[in-house]
Amino acid sequence: DAKTTQPTSMDCAEGRAANLPCNHSTISGNEYVYWYRQIHSQGPQYIIHGLKNNETNEMASLIITEDRKSSTLILPHATLRDTAVYYCIVRALSNDYKLSFGAGTTVTVRA
Amino acid sequence: DTEVTQTPKHLVMGMTNKKSLKCEQHMGHRAMYWYKQKAKKPPELMFVYSYEKLSINESVPSRFSPECPNSSLLNLHLHALQPEDSALYLCASSQVRAQPQHFGDGTRLSIL
Repeated sequence: DAKTTQPTSMDCAEGRAANLPCNHSTISGNEYVYWYRQIHSQGPQYIIHGLKNNETNEMASLIITEDRKSSTLILPHATLRDTAVYYCIVRALSNDYKLSFGAGTTVTVRA
Repeated sequence: DTEVTQTPKHLVMGMTNKKSLKCEQHMGHRAMYWYKQKAKKPPELMFVYSYEKLSINESVPSRFSPECPNSSLLNLHLHALQPEDSALYLCASSQVRAQPQHFGDGTRLSIL
């Protein structure tokens, strides 16, 4: 699976949109981009995933560049409860089960 | 609330003890996983069960012994653990293959 690069940490203001970048320049055509987050003292939580089209669900939006070398997770209206470590993971469908977590981005939402 | 339930939430054991961690899901998922997470590190995959058969063992020491009695339950049997095995042990489940995994909140294990 392709390696991902994320900023170590970022702050954002409560009520504002949080834009979390992820670089995956070696991504292959059959690899999806997944986002998970882990709130302190909880297990990781699935947020969203996509292949090449932008995706939106009740939690977030995922914007993938046309060359697929990078993506951005958007939390439209950040709340204090969104403070967590956010993991961007690239995963091939052929890699049946393995989910390889990187270091992630520690996001702190401030009032 | 998580749909994957892990018990106990906390466990303290000595190096000579035998204990088990339990995981349960009722989402009809046919793949179940064990991960280990050390403090301030990302989760690392240990084992994968698919249709109740072990399909991946990430070279985990034999003092960790997984068991999948049925499609809803996953156990991790522990014996003769070392202090460095102290960690958060996470269970997850998914529909088969590359579907999103759903995690429990883990068992925090301390080895004395």
